Amino acid sequence: SQQGEEDPQALSIQEGENATMNCSYKTSINNLQWYRQNSGRGLVHLILIRSNEREKHSGRLRVTLDTSKKSSSLLITASRAADTASYFCATVRYSGGYNKLIFGAGTRLAVHP
Amino acid sequence: DGGITQSPKYLFRKEGQNVTLSCEQNLNHDAMYWYRQDPGQGLRLIYYSQIVNDFQKGDIAEGYSVSREKKESFPLTVTSAQKNPTAFYLCASSKPGTGSYEQYFGPGTRLTVT
Repeated sequence: SQQGEEDPQALSIQEGENATMNCSYKTSINNLQWYRQNSGRGLVHLILIRSNEREKHSGRLRVTLDTSKKSSSLLITASRAADTASYFCATVRYSGGYNKLIFGAGTRLAVHP
Repeated sequence: DGGITQSPKYLFRKEGQNVTLSCEQNLNHDAMYWYRQDPGQGLRLIYYSQIVNDFQKGDIAEGYSVSREKKESFPLTVTSAQKNPTAFYLCASSKPGTGSYEQYFGPGTRLTVT
């Protein structure tokens, strides 16, 4: 069972355009994380936003969090071909006495030169 | 150079054979995880371990087994009982107690069973 769901499933844009990906989740959270995965590789942590934060920036990345709507968005500004990857949101779920990170199905971003 | 290593990158096996995937980390992290990823999909948790000699089943543990004899190592065995083992397997680690549960991933092992 997935906690987060990304939208859209796939996104195709031109270099220089902005890319926006959304994530919705079902239960209350302490934080929400975004990860990136290049094709055939492991995931890389991009940014974490805590439940008491509304917006966070890291370089060309901007993440927002709306806990009332249980949703987050990841904005990549001035995209580059190298940004082509899948992007996943992840939230923490407490289960079986442990906290586990639950990933959504991801948004596949293609940036064309 | 700190990180997580997984070996091999590609693995081919015949149906009915058990196979063990290696995962080693030198990040001094207590927690380690195994995920399965199928094409175009997200990650599903197979097993996780918070400390040495302890591990818990994740959401899809059937047909898999793990051990955690050392802090640095968390090997995953895909047994012949796993009905559809062909997939991309990812190992990760994290440092509990930070409150973030940020995970660090290895490069993955692509297993093909024919």
